[in-house]
Parts: sequence; structure tokens; C-alpha cells
Amino acid sequence: SQKIEQNSEALNIQEGKTATLTCNYTNYSPAYLQWYRQDPGRGPVFLLLIRENEKEKRKERLKVTFDTTLKQSLFHITASQPADSATYLCARKTTGGGNKLTFGTGTQLKVEL
Amino acid sequence: DAGVIQSPRHEVTEMGQEVTLRCKPISGHDYLFWYRQTMMRGLELLIYFNNNVPIDDSGMPEDRFSAKMPNASFSTLKIQPSEPRDSAVYFCASSAVGGSYEQYFGPGTRLTVT
Repeated sequence: SQKIEQNSEALNIQEGKTATLTCNYTNYSPAYLQWYRQDPGRGPVFLLLIRENEKEKRKERLKVTFDTTLKQSLFHITASQPADSATYLCARKTTGGGNKLTFGTGTQLKVEL
Repeated sequence: DAGVIQSPRHEVTEMGQEVTLRCKPISGHDYLFWYRQTMMRGLELLIYFNNNVPIDDSGMPEDRFSAKMPNASFSTLKIQPSEPRDSAVYFCASSAVGGSYEQYFGPGTRLTVT
């Protein structure tokens, strides 16, 4: 099966530090991975996509890596702020056509002053 | 664009009743997805459509669940009869072909079955 796993334990960090969230997948490498942010009571919001042949992708304070050897993606938020507090979801594209995704259960991030 | 619109935002019903959730995707998007989110199981795909045609309904839990997309701007997810274990937040999402393949989610419908 095409599983995707995220650390279910919440991550608490101090403002200004770099937050690093982990996403591990099983079996073959997906064509791409996506990261979403979800705030309480709201739907997930797309942040970044990284393709299988890309090592790293950046967007402002966000950085995503894709390691096909470790079968892992890391999501970094640099200079974290309390406003970054949310749940972050990793998703992998499943086999076949279309845009079907399998989501991880998410990691809750809390940035403290 | 107003984004993906879902209604109702909250639904409380009694076991055995029929529940209908509604979704209006973003105009021009080719794909529409229905998800269910619970604390225990996370975000699960129930069914998705491409150009109004159901492509994969393998995530639909059982025959009590059905989904339709009569046109490009409207979809429904129906549960009949509802059971307490159906209590969850149901999200609709849409996406376009190509680009970043990002999915745009609606605000969700929180369903409580008593």
C-alpha cells in the first residue's frame, strides 16, 4: 500500500528557531509530494510541491527536501513565528492518472514566544 | 473567485436520517474530491471526479454513501441512513490539470450524528 507517515507528536519550538517536520513514505517514490497547512476549523491550504527529481524547493521562509534513498521529505520553516502555528500535512501522489493524493495524519506545530 | 463553497457548515442529525452535503468547486477546475477527516484516521479520500465523471470511489466506506456531480459546478455527497460513526468533518476540494496539482479545499462540513 502507499502509506505516508508523519510524526503524530506535536512539535513545540521557540519563535525565531527553525521548525523541521518529517514525512516518510513506503514502497516506491511518488511522482511528487505536497505540503499543506491546516488551521483549526478550516480546510487544508496548499504550500509547496516537490517532484521526485528535485532535491529541494524553497518559498520564502519555507524549504522542502525530497530524499528518495531515505524515502523521506523534510519541511522546514525558518525564523518561525507564532503565526506559523498550525497542523502541517504531507501528501503523496498515488499511482495512476489524475491528482489523487494520500495524506499523512499531520504534525501540529506550536511556535511559542 | 470565492473558492470552494460547501454547505451546510454544520449538520446535526439523528441516526437513520439522510444527510446531503453540497459542494461548488472553483470555476474551471476539472477535478473534484470528497474527503472525510477524523482524529483517528486523518484525511481520507472518499471519491473523486474528473470532468463530472466518478473516477475512483474506492474510499467510499459502504453503500450508505453515494456521490454525484450532475454538472461542473455542483456535487453532492449523500449518506443514507446515517450512523454515529459517520460523524466527521467532510471536505470538498477541487483542482485543475497541470501546474502544481494543488488542491483547493472548502471550509468543510462538520457532521454530527447522534
